[in-house]
Amino acid sequence: AAGVIQSPRHLIKEKRETATLKCYPIPRHDTVYWYQQGPGQDPQFLISFYEKMQSDKGSIPDRFSAQQFSDYHSELNMSSLELGDSALYFCASSFGGGPKNEQFFGPGTRLTVL
Amino acid sequence: AQSVTQLDSQVPVFEEAPVELRCNYSSSVSVYLFWYVQYPNQGLQLLLKYLSGSTLVKGINGFEAEFNKSQTSFHLRKPSVHISDTAEYFCAVRGIAGGTSYGKLTFGQGTILTVHP
Repeated sequence: AAGVIQSPRHLIKEKRETATLKCYPIPRHDTVYWYQQGPGQDPQFLISFYEKMQSDKGSIPDRFSAQQFSDYHSELNMSSLELGDSALYFCASSFGGGPKNEQFFGPGTRLTVL
Repeated sequence: AQSVTQLDSQVPVFEEAPVELRCNYSSSVSVYLFWYVQYPNQGLQLLLKYLSGSTLVKGINGFEAEFNKSQTSFHLRKPSVHISDTAEYFCAVRGIAGGTSYGKLTFGQGTILTVHP
């Protein structure tokens, strides 16, 4: 079965650079969630989209922005990167944004900021 | 708002022994409860979930969990573990009421289960 696809899987950037992470949800899934997992930390919710509209916002820095496109894929744009942004970034998708709808997680993008 | 506390950061056990990973939560609204497993360098995989009904839920790989509303707990158990169960386990909650807690997952800090031969 098709799963959530994230690209790139690994990304190395310098401080103050910009990064773009992409997420392709499972076909027919209309909801995307982004989570950030720092080293040795639990995943923290960043932002979510339902039917291409932002549905919820968590602890996402102002330097980050995200959107969901007409084909339901999503991109997380990160500017002025800081060392503390080094983390594993997960995307999850679901059919419908309700709490009963299971979120399926992608393998993550590991971002390293030098 | 919700919060999740996993009481043990690391749990070492021997193969074929039983194991319990503890999870407590707090929330101002009703919640659904989940356990996820994360193998090294992989994403999160759903083990089991409690939405309603029987408080004892069974999941994949022989795991089960019991929801205790009065103690706000959702402990994960397995009667006999295997080497392949070595992984990190996350307890998570989702708010049921509307509003900003609608869909996102709030995770605990994780418990690293290490199964020794």
